Amino acid sequence: GAVVSQHPSRVICKSGTSVKIECRSLDFQATTMFWYRQFPKQSLMLMATSNEGSKATYEQGVEKDKFLINHASLTLSTLTVTSAHPEDSSFYICSARERLAGAEQYFGPGTRLTVT
Amino acid sequence: GIQVEQSPPDLILQEGANSTLRCNFSDSVNNLQWFHQNPWGQLINLFYIPSGTKQNGRLSATTVATERYSLLYISSSQTTDSGVYFCAVERASGTYKYIFGTGTRLKVLA
Repeated sequence: GAVVSQHPSRVICKSGTSVKIECRSLDFQATTMFWYRQFPKQSLMLMATSNEGSKATYEQGVEKDKFLINHASLTLSTLTVTSAHPEDSSFYICSARERLAGAEQYFGPGTRLTVT
Repeated sequence: GIQVEQSPPDLILQEGANSTLRCNFSDSVNNLQWFHQNPWGQLINLFYIPSGTKQNGRLSATTVATERYSLLYISSSQTTDSGVYFCAVERASGTYKYIFGTGTRLKVLA
């Protein structure tokens, strides 16, 4: 149980275009989903918290107009990187916290974004 | 804000050896998890352990919340244990927002 999927696993896009990443909880309902970013050989940094049916909350320094988050249902959250630039190239990871459960988070396999 | 430091930063072991990884945090926490990030980037849940001791096969973990540290023990290490180990703690009570530690990069040699 407690499986989280992400799609796509890898994407290459041209500078200036937008990319959408999906995060799904496959076998549980997720009250809250989280988006992280990880640069090579570094730790994970929280970007934003996504609650079903409400606006996402962004961490300090994260541009909300650039990283659009939609949590339309209890099993799906999406992150759209708008007008991507090479510096947005990174490993994006989502996690989900199960509704009515504790604080334990389950992580997706990540999406590697390369902007050329 | 809360600081989370892990030690050692890098560790090389011969297959079959035992090791202890440490996670220190600068303030009291309600929630703590240990993860293994495999070479493909997937984070695998090892333990949810805000306090106490848990064991799962060759792995065990202990969190002493009052002293602000957690330990992850790996016994009889295998090459498949290679990767990066992270601890993560809840930033502030009720937020469910995690701060990740600096990580320990483990390489197990055959």
